[in-house]
Amino acid sequence: GAGVSQSPRYKVAKRGQDVALRCDPISGHVSLFWYQQALGQGPEFLTYFQNEAQLDKSGLPSDRFFAERPEGSVSTLKIQRTQQEDSAVYLCASSLGLFGSEQYFGPGTRLTVT
Amino acid sequence: GNSVTQMEGPVTLSEEAFLTINCTYTATGYPSLFWYVQYPGEGLQLLLKATKADDKGSNKGFEATYRKETTSFHLEKGSVQVSDSAVYFCALSHPPGNTGKLIFGQGTTLQVKP
Repeated sequence: GAGVSQSPRYKVAKRGQDVALRCDPISGHVSLFWYQQALGQGPEFLTYFQNEAQLDKSGLPSDRFFAERPEGSVSTLKIQRTQQEDSAVYLCASSLGLFGSEQYFGPGTRLTVT
Repeated sequence: GNSVTQMEGPVTLSEEAFLTINCTYTATGYPSLFWYVQYPGEGLQLLLKATKADDKGSNKGFEATYRKETTSFHLEKGSVQVSDSAVYFCALSHPPGNTGKLIFGQGTTLQVKP
């Protein structure tokens, strides 16, 4: 069956540009997470959705980062006025939403800000 | 706050050698503990998990035991194969009222040589 998909897989942006990263979770998965993974580091939590409700955005590094999941399925992570420190792999994961249920990760979007 | 610390890599072993990757955590209460693996060119995959003290998670010959007294969750395998070469991440998820977000260690690269 289809797993979590993300697009684009690679994105190069010039500093100051806005970018939008898309995540298609597994159908029926209630929970959706975004993580940021810097080179050589473990993923760090950004934000969490339960259906369309964004219940936790404590990990978003600045107000330039914005995420939405308007219909409780596809999610978009938007970064405005990109900076070099935003260069990272952005991972999306989804789960059934039961506590302890497995998170299924997408392949990630590698963002490079030049 | 909650955190996870893994042994630094890279770890280089010969095929059929015994593997240990150390992981310790800091958290109040009783988190759930996970090992995720990232094979070259692929997304993160759950390898094994344990949800309470003294539980042993196991999968594909890998094992880890949740040790509350030492706050550890070390990953072991008796005989590694070349195909085990990957980056391994220890992670925790902490209740209560938790969204299920994962807190990861920095990752340990394993390279197995024939």
